Amino acid sequence: EVQLVESGGGLVKPGGSLRLSCATSGFIFSNYKLNWVRQAPGKGLEWVASIDHFGSEKYYVDSVKGRFTISRDNGGNSLYLQMNSLRAEDTAVYYCARVKIETDTDAFEIWGRGTTVTISS
Amino acid sequence: DIQVTQSPSSLSASVGDRVTITCRASQGISNGLSWYQQKLGQAPTLLIYAASSLQSGVSSRFSGSGSGRDFTLTISSLLPDDVATYYCLQDYAAPYTFGQGTKLEIQ
Repeated sequence: EVQLVESGGGLVKPGGSLRLSCATSGFIFSNYKLNWVRQAPGKGLEWVASIDHFGSEKYYVDSVKGRFTISRDNGGNSLYLQMNSLRAEDTAVYYCARVKIETDTDAFEIWGRGTTVTISS
Repeated sequence: DIQVTQSPSSLSASVGDRVTITCRASQGISNGLSWYQQKLGQAPTLLIYAASSLQSGVSSRFSGSGSGRDFTLTISSLLPDDVATYYCLQDYAAPYTFGQGTKLEIQ
């Protein structure tokens, strides 16, 4: 069974840091692009970052550039999001999502259940 | 960056109705659009990929159409279980962008 399980969320003060993890199983990890998507309380979905199969191409939404870093460990089948200089507006549920590869587009086929990040003093 | 405008933001319909949700991209994105359903308190699930391809396991009551800038998600015969928020995603090129969401309710 394909699974993505996020962890690492919590309560952090503004200016602090967190490292989110996404542990995966049930598929060949290195074959897939991966993404982080977040959802602030009561708001819509926001794509945050993506990484290609080997970690050589990374993209970010403008609001997190220079503060967040996406990375992956193909040997350990895990995805990460290092979040620094956190702000109140980063408060959200953070999901990892795996891209569908049987197509020439990048639909987000498999999602984790999310981990909650709260930024508050 | 490519922007996506989704409408309507909310929708109320009756069981058995045909429902349509639209997304317009700020530039042509070929077939690089997907649709998601998010029920309250749950992670999103993929309904449609490549604009019109039905994801495995998804009811055939859901269909997608469009290419270029304009796209449509149609639910052919609404069921109570379809109550959810629906999102489109421009997955043609990073940075990817979601539509604003459509909250679907049953009258």
